[in-house]
Formats: sequence, structure tokens, C-alpha cells
Amino acid sequence: NAGVMQNPRHLVRRRGQEARLRCSPMKGHSHVYWYRQLPEEGLKFMVYLQKENIIDESGMPKERFSAEFPKEGPSILRIQQVVRGDSAAYFCASSPGQGYTFGSGTRLTVV
Amino acid sequence: GENVEQHPSTLSVQEGDSAVIKCTYSDSASNYFPWYKQELGKRPQLIIDIRSNVGEKKDQRIAVTLNKTAKHFSLHITETQPEDSAVYFCAAMVTGGGNKLTFGTGTQLKVEL
Repeated sequence: NAGVMQNPRHLVRRRGQEARLRCSPMKGHSHVYWYRQLPEEGLKFMVYLQKENIIDESGMPKERFSAEFPKEGPSILRIQQVVRGDSAAYFCASSPGQGYTFGSGTRLTVV
Repeated sequence: GENVEQHPSTLSVQEGDSAVIKCTYSDSASNYFPWYKQELGKRPQLIIDIRSNVGEKKDQRIAVTLNKTAKHFSLHITETQPEDSAVYFCAAMVTGGGNKLTFGTGTQLKVEL
């Protein structure tokens, strides 16, 4: 089992560009969670998805951020028109129902 | 929603001493409390967890205690070693209610030789 796979590990975007972060959950896990970690801070919940459904997006900023978990393929966190404040580590976690396994994260830098 | 507070934010101990990190939570419905260790630039890794039907759990040098009445839980690391140096996060969850983890703000533990 390869664990939770996130790519890319590092992503640099200029202000105004789009960022796409991908997460493939562990085999057999149907629940995906996205968290954001700002430098030297804790992890903040963003969104919880199951296949083809957004279950809880209470932590997502209202604008520019969206997430999906299609029937086939990885979960995608999409950030449009990135700003410097979006620079952070974005972690995905998957779960079979309880208990999380985190991916290695994508470190987004907006220049 | 749930709010988790964690103290201290930094903790420095001598190798071989014990370290204690404390967390409080606000939602009495929370029933699952994991602890994560995060080394610099790496993913958070689950080191121990406890469910609300248990008051204490131990795994080698690591133990966690839970006081449901007071709504606080603690991580205890005995015989600390330099490789224990990392940031530790507590978290709380209501299982079956979306399984969303609410994290504390983290404790930077430094074990000095």
C-alpha cells in the first residue's frame, strides 16, 4: 500500500495563476480531507469529500477555492488567482471511516 | 464548533527527562483524541490516540490521559531522546459526525543533550 500520495510536493505560482493540488487516497479509503498549514501554525480543516460528493466544506474560503473527488482519479484542490497569502503547506488525509493517514503535503509558494 | 487549545507552545527538556503537553477541548460530543508528531518539512504522523471510553493509554514511552469531565487530555513522553524533538499536535473529533479533526496549535518540543 503506497499510502496517501500527493503531488506535486512543491509548487511555485505567480500571483494570479491557478494552482492544482492532487491527492490519491490509500487503497480502500473513500474519505478524503484537505487541511492547510500556514508557516509555524497548526492544521486547519478545509474540506471533506467522498467519491463525487462534498460532505463538509465549512473550512474552505468562499472564493477562489474549490475541491472535487471524482469517481475516477485523484481528489483535486484548486486555487484560482492565487495570492501571496495562499502560500502554505496543503495536506490531504484519507480514512476508511475513522483514523487519518496524511500525505506528504504540497508546499505552495506564491511569488 | 469545536475549539482545541494546546499548551505549552514550546517545551525544552533535557534528554532522559519527561515531557507533558496538555490540551483542552470545548465540544463535549468529541470522542476521539489523536496526537500527531510532525518533523520539520514532513507529514503529521499519528503517534497515539485515545477514545472517550478509556481514561489512559500507553505505548512504550508514550502515554495519553483523558479527563472527560474536565474536557482535557495530555500527552506524556518519558525518557525523552533527541529524536523526540518535533512539533506535537493534539486533535479532537466527533466520530460519525463527518470525522473532521480540530487541531491544537502545536507544541515545539526540543530535547537537549
